[in-house]
Amino acid sequence: AQRVTQPEKLLSVFKGAPVELKCNYSYSGSPELFWYVQYSRQRLQLLLRHISRESIKGFTADLNKGETSFHLKKPFAQEEDSAMYYCALISSGSARQLTFGSGTQLTVLP
Amino acid sequence: NAGVTQTPKFRVLKTGQSMTLLCAQDMNHEYMYWYRQDPGMGLRLIHYSVGEGTTAKGEVPDGYNVSRLKKQNFLLGLESAAPSQTSVYFCASRGLADNEQFFGPGTRLTVL
Repeated sequence: AQRVTQPEKLLSVFKGAPVELKCNYSYSGSPELFWYVQYSRQRLQLLLRHISRESIKGFTADLNKGETSFHLKKPFAQEEDSAMYYCALISSGSARQLTFGSGTQLTVLP
Repeated sequence: NAGVTQTPKFRVLKTGQSMTLLCAQDMNHEYMYWYRQDPGMGLRLIHYSVGEGTTAKGEVPDGYNVSRLKKQNFLLGLESAAPSQTSVYFCASRGLADNEQFFGPGTRLTVL
């Protein structure tokens, strides 16, 4: 069965420091992975996906199939990055639903 | 273009009461999903629909029913609410050509 693990429930960094949010997955086949972000009391929105290989708001994430990881990184955190971050995996079934990790609450301190 | 909308935004129920949550999307998306969000558990899929007139169970379907009578609407019903159904409910939709899901603003439900 597919699974997404985000080992850190809470993560605090100071403004300007690098940040890395960890995501590990288990999946048989070629995974399609996403990072979604949820700012306080707002809806989830797509931050980035591994197939596009984009950098959004300074965040990047590289799929490492050997380590089954998709960690989210930013070299210099900003206070407006404070939010809940979810790593998610597309299922292999016809509905292509998302399997989410439990989320990491990132707080960027001034 | 409103995207995905949900009504109501908030609701408080007593145990045993029933209610229906409405999700509407104006993007002509085929797929629609209902998730619940609980602290420390992320989002879990309740039910989903791959097209008008079709529904299927997700990971946590017990205590919920759904209907997709029109392509743009996906209703989630609680026939007899229980305190364990206190949660934030999110609806999402996506089109055929892309795997990105678009989320609604959520409904915060409290069952006393």
